[in-house]
Amino acid sequence: AQSVTQLDSHVSVSEGTPVLLRCNYSSSYSPSLFWYVQHPNKGLQLLLKYTSAATLVKGINGFEAEFKKSETSFHLTKPSAHMSDAAEYFCVVTGGSYIPTFGRGTSLIVHP
Amino acid sequence: DAGVIQSPRHEVTEMGQEVTLRCKPISGHNSLFWYRQTMMRGLELLIYFNNNVPIDDSGMPEDRFSAKMPNASFSTLKIQPSEPRDSAVYFCASSGDMGAEKLFFGSGTQLSVL
Repeated sequence: AQSVTQLDSHVSVSEGTPVLLRCNYSSSYSPSLFWYVQHPNKGLQLLLKYTSAATLVKGINGFEAEFKKSETSFHLTKPSAHMSDAAEYFCVVTGGSYIPTFGRGTSLIVHP
Repeated sequence: DAGVIQSPRHEVTEMGQEVTLRCKPISGHNSLFWYRQTMMRGLELLIYFNNNVPIDDSGMPEDRFSAKMPNASFSTLKIQPSEPRDSAVYFCASSGDMGAEKLFFGSGTQLSVL
């Protein structure tokens, strides 16, 4: 069995400040982990992916995530938020079933 | 490649009518997923096909929902009869290696059942 918990339903930051979106997972197998972004009225787009290579994964638009097995976490970060980062972010785990399980999503709000 | 193509983009129908949503996955992808997104329940997996065969349909809400994949380039999700609680955005996604690879999402179909 596998599951994903996104710890915050909403995160609000000011433009230019750091972003932290938290994700914890559980999986009976070595997981593949993903972060997707969804802008309003759009489909989901892959930000980054972890598949047992380097634990620090760099993605598009300056985002990165660190896989911490001991904490079963895969938090998403960005040093400096931009207005265009305002969107819904989904953490996803894929384990032995190869069926992706999505978190409930975190809405990132960026204030000018 | 044009990406995953879904049609229609918007569908407004009356309760009791049949609704058919369509999806064309990316050429060469062997996995196809149908998701439903609502504010209340987030993203829910409805059904997953691998090599045109339904592998997991445990997320299909009830018998009113059915999905088919007659060939590698086309899938449909049908709701008959439709109900107001089916109103949601329905996404189709495809992948090249089951869920181990990234999913490519279509733009979704916004369904409103009045």
